[in-house]
Amino acid sequence: AQSVTQLDSQVPVFEEAPVELRCNYSSSVSVYLFWYVQYPNQGLQLLLKYLSGSTLVESINGFEAEFNKSQTSFHLRKPSVHISDTAEYFCAVTRPLYGGSQGNLIFGKGTKLSVKP
Amino acid sequence: GAGVSQSPRYKVAKRGQDVALRCDPISGHVSLFWYQQALGQGPEFLTYFQNEAQLDKSGLPSDRFFAERPEGSVSTLKIQRTQQEDSAVYLCASKFERVGGTGELFFGEGSRLTVL
Repeated sequence: AQSVTQLDSQVPVFEEAPVELRCNYSSSVSVYLFWYVQYPNQGLQLLLKYLSGSTLVESINGFEAEFNKSQTSFHLRKPSVHISDTAEYFCAVTRPLYGGSQGNLIFGKGTKLSVKP
Repeated sequence: GAGVSQSPRYKVAKRGQDVALRCDPISGHVSLFWYQQALGQGPEFLTYFQNEAQLDKSGLPSDRFFAERPEGSVSTLKIQRTQQEDSAVYLCASKFERVGGTGELFFGEGSRLTVL
């Protein structure tokens, strides 16, 4: 079975500072990895995903995440955050579909990013 | 509508009451998921539909929980004889593809259930 650990429940940072939100997963098989973001009073939105190929994936708003198979990690980074990045971020994992896997997402507990001016 | 719509957004129920939560997925989306998100936790899988077929209900916490999608579009999650531990946000998500595809999962804003 897969599981996801987000090591930090809250991360406060100042505007324009870099940030890293940590995510580790456990799985005995290959996985797909995702980061979802939830802005206040909104639904979850896909931020970026790793399926295969290049281990570094990027979002349109400057976030990036790197898949590290040896460390079973998929940390999310941004070199300079904005006030508007304040939100809760969820890391999630799913197995590629084969052998009956139905591909539902397994989420971590989330990390609240708070960007202060 | 353009996105996944859930209603009601907020529901307060007395312990023992039955509740029904509705999900309108994006038109044409084949796959529909229900998740439960307790306070301070990540979403946890409840059940999954492919069109009208409920292919996995392994995450439903008890037989008080029942979900249906009779015409392969709108889905309803019903909770009978609600208990305080049922208090959570119930999230619905849909996807164009059959399960296992790598397409994006689109989430609704959720229905927040509070059981007194």
